Formats: sequence, structure tokens, C-alpha cells
Amino acid sequence: EAQVTQNPRYLITVTGKKLTVTCSQNMNHEYMSWYRQDPGLGLRQIYYSMNVEVTDKGDVPEGYKVSRKEKRNFPLILESPSPNQTSLYFCASSPSSRQGQSWPPNQPQHFGDGTRLSIL
Amino acid sequence: AQTVTQSQPEMSVQEAETVTLSCTYDTSENNYYLFWYKQPPSRQMILVIRQEAYKQQNATENRFSVNFQKAAKSFSLKISDSQLGDTAMYFCAFMRANSKLTFGKGITLSVRP
Repeated sequence: EAQVTQNPRYLITVTGKKLTVTCSQNMNHEYMSWYRQDPGLGLRQIYYSMNVEVTDKGDVPEGYKVSRKEKRNFPLILESPSPNQTSLYFCASSPSSRQGQSWPPNQPQHFGDGTRLSIL
Repeated sequence: AQTVTQSQPEMSVQEAETVTLSCTYDTSENNYYLFWYKQPPSRQMILVIRQEAYKQQNATENRFSVNFQKAAKSFSLKISDSQLGDTAMYFCAFMRANSKLTFGKGITLSVRP
């Protein structure tokens, strides 16, 4: 079954304690992305990755790190979490357009089930 | 930068009636995708419908259809024969060539029995 898997689904932790939210996809997608969802603000992109070893900042990258050492995994790292990072987080993946190939891609982004983070 | 605007924070509709959710966007690009995602209380993000900007024909998926007005940069979602299971938050989203998705703030739709 094609899916994007996030872990953990829920986490309550304290300010300053480093944490990692994992994201894994089994669809061989090049593009992966992290979003946070906050009431009244919709989903905002944190970081994205066009392929292995290629990452870039989204709209709200402050306080987050990512890595893309393998195609299937795209962990989100909070080195020193703060209460304003309490949010619902989504990982997503999709095929990516490449130069010379037709655009747009024929699949939309697939989302994980979300991770609810509470930073006390 | 692309922006997506959903000006209505919430709407309510009677079961079996039709409701239209509005969305406008701003971009200078010519090739892009537009989406409507549904987020039920389970928090999953479920793709409802998508529209390619280069296609003039409005997309349709069963009870869901869009009114895509490219010149006006408008992308509204029409839900026909509303069902209780349609109760959810709905997000309009814009995707450009590098796959970056920009979301609107969402609208909460309640379907009344």
C-alpha cells in the first residue's frame, strides 16, 4: 500500500529537549515536504526536499532542521523545541518534475496522518 | 510569491443541498495545479479534486466540481447533494512547477441533518 508514515503520532515534551519526527514514504517519490498546521493559518511549509541531499527552506523554517540522506526518509528535527512550535505537523511526498520531462506531475502530494506535538 | 485566499472561515449547509466554497489565488505563473483538500476530524488530508491550469474544462469528481476562472484567478468548489460525511475543513491549495504547495487558511464546513 502506497503511504507516507509519520512517527510519533502524538508527543508531549518540554522546552529544550531535542526531538525528531520521522517521515518515510514507500512510493519512490523525489519530493518530500514538511508542513505545520495552526488554527486560522492553514498549512505552512517548513522545509522541502527535491531529492536526496537537496533540501531548502519553506515559509517557516526557523527552529527546524531536516535531512535527506535517503530517498524514502525525511526526518524533521527540533534541536531546542519551544512552546510556539506546538502544532500539528504533516509530511508529504510526490513525484517531482524534472527538466526534459512533461509537467505537471501526474500525482498530487500524498500526506501522512499527522503528528500532534505539544511543547510545554 | 503565491498566495491563496479563502475568505470565508466557515459555512453551513443542509443535508442534500448544494454549497460552494470560494478560493482565490495570486500568481504570475502560467503552469500550475490547483487542489481542494478535505480534512475531516480524523485530521487526514484527503485530496478532493484537482485542476490543471492549462485545461479549460472544469474538473469533476462525483458530487464535487470546480469553477475555475483562470483570468479571475478564482477556484471555487461546489459540493452537490451534501452529505453528513462532508463535514470537514476544506483547504484550497496552489502548486507550482517545483511541487511547492501553498495552502489557504481553510474553511470549516458543517452539514446539518
